[in-house]
Amino acid sequence: AQSVSQHNHHVILSEAASLELGCNYSYGGTVNLFWYVQYPGQHLQLLLKYFSGDPLVKGIKGFEAEFIKSKFSFNLRKPSVQWSDTAEYFCAVNLYGGATNKLIFGTGTLLAVQP
Amino acid sequence: EAGVAQSPRYKIIEKRQSVAFWCNPISGHATLYWYQQILGQGPKLLIQFQNNGVVDDSQLPKDRFSAERLKGVDSTLKIQPAKLEDSAVYLCASSLDSSDTQYFGPGTRLTVL
Repeated sequence: AQSVSQHNHHVILSEAASLELGCNYSYGGTVNLFWYVQYPGQHLQLLLKYFSGDPLVKGIKGFEAEFIKSKFSFNLRKPSVQWSDTAEYFCAVNLYGGATNKLIFGTGTLLAVQP
Repeated sequence: EAGVAQSPRYKIIEKRQSVAFWCNPISGHATLYWYQQILGQGPKLLIQFQNNGVVDDSQLPKDRFSAERLKGVDSTLKIQPAKLEDSAVYLCASSLDSSDTQYFGPGTRLTVL
């Protein structure tokens, strides 16, 4: 069965620090990859996605993620975090061209950025 | 563009009672999803509709959960009877079609006492 692992459950950083959140998935076929973010009191929003092409994907608010197929990884990065990046981040995958569009989510990483 | 709407936002019930949640997807979105998010976990798909037909309900506990999307627009998710372990946030999402990006609503937080 497909699964998604997020290595860090809680991350605390100071403003201007660099961020990298790990995400690994288990599935041998072709997948689509996503990072969603949930700011306090708000709903899940798409941060970025990878379907095909350039494995380095740029999203909103200066975030980027790199798909490394050989490592089954899709890590999220940001060179310099801001207090407003405090949120919960979810990595998700679904099957490319699958019969359903079911998203398999990781357990989430809670990021707290201290001013 | 209006997002996915859900109501109610919060619901508290006692075990063995029934409850219903409502979702209005983004206009024109053919595909609608219900996810369950238990505290400390990521969302888990319960059911996916394509227009008014069910595409995937493999993880829906059918002995107590039911969902419908009769006219291919709004959808309701019902739990009858509720158990303590049903306490969770129920998220509705929609996408233009079955391969497109999913957009999520604010969710309904259910507490079963």
